Amino acid sequence: GQQLNQSPQSMFIQEGEDVSMNCTSSSIFNTWLWYKQDPGEGPVLLIALYKAGELTSNGRLTAQFGITRKDSFLNISASIPSDVGIYFCAGQLVGNEKLTFGTGTRLTIIP
Amino acid sequence: GAVVSQHPSRVICKSGTSVKIECRSLDFQATTMFWYRQFPKKSLMLMATSNEGSKATYEQGVEKDKFLINHASLTLSTLTVTSAHPEDSSFYICSASPTQFGYTFGSGTRLTVV
Repeated sequence: GQQLNQSPQSMFIQEGEDVSMNCTSSSIFNTWLWYKQDPGEGPVLLIALYKAGELTSNGRLTAQFGITRKDSFLNISASIPSDVGIYFCAGQLVGNEKLTFGTGTRLTIIP
Repeated sequence: GAVVSQHPSRVICKSGTSVKIECRSLDFQATTMFWYRQFPKKSLMLMATSNEGSKATYEQGVEKDKFLINHASLTLSTLTVTSAHPEDSSFYICSASPTQFGYTFGSGTRLTVV
């Protein structure tokens, strides 16, 4: 099936650094979602975006819905150890309950 | 609110046997649930859409006779991996949505076929 392209694939950062990752698609989506997955667990919703251009924050996390509706980015400020994990974007079309997932960005914090 | 419970979290079975995985919405009703498969270090791939009271809709390439889905009530969907083989070993995750937007995922089931 279709997947969204996420970049970077992996990130190695130091605690306290800011993180930025993005997700691009060849198709237009009406909803963008960002999830975090810890090892051996299901994804947990971080932020949901419903309108083109929308900028939404959740604590240290900020995400934006691209105005072309074909991309989205997620920023994490002042990273902490519990931010380690895999981040997935997901897109959804109006009238279609299915989610299309991105390829994932693995975040590692270097001691 | 909006909790999805998945059971079991881990299962090891012998090749040729069948395994049933349950997905329950604990505090909401879900007419639709989704089943995903995830290989190590890979993304989630949708296998099928489970519809309460009707047949599941399978994604292209997913064998419906191998991955049996039953959605008998508004709070329970089951995925049965029939005649499991080592290549079926994977992480299976279900999801459901209490509203039009935002999906809640179960904690996943690690299936190992030996």
